[in-house]
Amino acid sequence: QVQLHESGPGLVKPSDTLSLTCAVSGYSISSGYYWGWIRQPPGKGLEWIGNIYHSGKTYYNPSLKSRVTISVDTSKNQFSLKLSDVTAADAAVYYCARVDSSGYSDYWGQGILVTVSS
Amino acid sequence: QSVLTQPPSVSGAPGQRVTISCTGSSSNIGAGYGVHWYQQLPGTAPKLLIYVTSNRPSGVPDRFSGSKSGTSASLAISRLQAEDEADYYCQSYDSSLSEWVFGGGTKLTVL
Repeated sequence: QVQLHESGPGLVKPSDTLSLTCAVSGYSISSGYYWGWIRQPPGKGLEWIGNIYHSGKTYYNPSLKSRVTISVDTSKNQFSLKLSDVTAADAAVYYCARVDSSGYSDYWGQGILVTVSS
Repeated sequence: QSVLTQPPSVSGAPGQRVTISCTGSSSNIGAGYGVHWYQQLPGTAPKLLIYVTSNRPSGVPDRFSGSKSGTSASLAISRLQAEDEADYYCQSYDSSLSEWVFGGGTKLTVL
């Protein structure tokens, strides 16, 4: 059974960099699929952040591209998200997911709430 | 404002059938990109319900079905049950924006 688990700080200061990691179990990232990040501000809808292929090729939401870096560590079977220069608008539940080439996410992590505050 | 438009809310009584629409444009649904649907129960992660317009993942009841016509897609839920009360989101790709986009979400209330 494929499982994903997000980890990282739940509180980030304004202008700092948000860093999250998604550990994958039950499936080897090197075997294929894309791996993505999606976020959901409290009480609001879903927003795609970006995807990474196991080869390292990345695809980012154009509105976040200047601040986002997604990387993969196949040796640890995990991938990571970095979002720089955060503001209150970046406060959200961040989900990691396995993404099919058709774009759908079939396995999701449980999500991690990130608050932006000094 | 989402490029995929969903009604904010729909409701139905147990046993009834409801549909949730997802209206896009010629740069997303109308361009032939697949539409995916997710169910999000309160306080939980989204769950894949329908992929590539009309396919159900293993374990999803056949009460859930998806379709597409022109620049719109629909999710139908038949024989409504109390456990279906949740938020539902559609997703597709938008070639003008070069990004995967979600609808704003629809809250289903089972009366």
